[in-house]
Amino acid sequence: DAKTTQPTSMDCAEGRAANLPCNHSTISGNEYVYWYRQIHSQGPQYIIHGLKNNETNEMASLIITEDRKSSTLILPHATLRDTAVYYCIVRVGDYKLSFGAGTTVTVRA
Amino acid sequence: DGGITQSPKYLFRKEGQNVTLSCEQNLNHDAMYWYRQDPGQGLRLIYYSQIVNDFQKGDIAEGYSVSREKKESFPLTVTSAQKNPTAFYLCASSPHRISTDTQYFGPGTRLTVL
Repeated sequence: DAKTTQPTSMDCAEGRAANLPCNHSTISGNEYVYWYRQIHSQGPQYIIHGLKNNETNEMASLIITEDRKSSTLILPHATLRDTAVYYCIVRVGDYKLSFGAGTTVTVRA
Repeated sequence: DGGITQSPKYLFRKEGQNVTLSCEQNLNHDAMYWYRQDPGQGLRLIYYSQIVNDFQKGDIAEGYSVSREKKESFPLTVTSAQKNPTAFYLCASSPHRISTDTQYFGPGTRLTVL
């Protein structure tokens, strides 16, 4: 699976949009971009995934660049409960998920 | 409510004892997985099962055993052969037997071996 690079940490104001970047410059054509988050001492929570097109669901939006070398997860109105570690993963599928260090997002009131 | 349950949330055992971690899902998912998470090491796959009565080793299966006698249940036994059993154990499931399928996680069990 392709390697991803994410910022170590970022802060966000409550009620504002949080834009989380992820670089995956070695992604291949059949690899999906997945986002999960993990609140301390809880199981990871699936957020969204995509292949080429931008995607939106009730939690977030995923914007994938045209060359697919990077993507951005957008939390439209961050709340204190969105404070977590966010993981960007690319996978073609060998059953296992591999999380990197992720981005620690802190939402401040 | 549909979901994945793991019990207990915290588990303490003495060194040398086998211990079984429970994982149940009522999502009618075909595939189930066990991961281990250690600080600074991300997730590591222990075992996975795509169908009842069948399972495959992951990257770190040594010292662990599993069974899949029912579709909704995938218990993990941590044996005394596992050298470093203290960790956060996560169970996951996915709807289909497809490797790219989205995996959904349970709340985890934190095992501490004293």
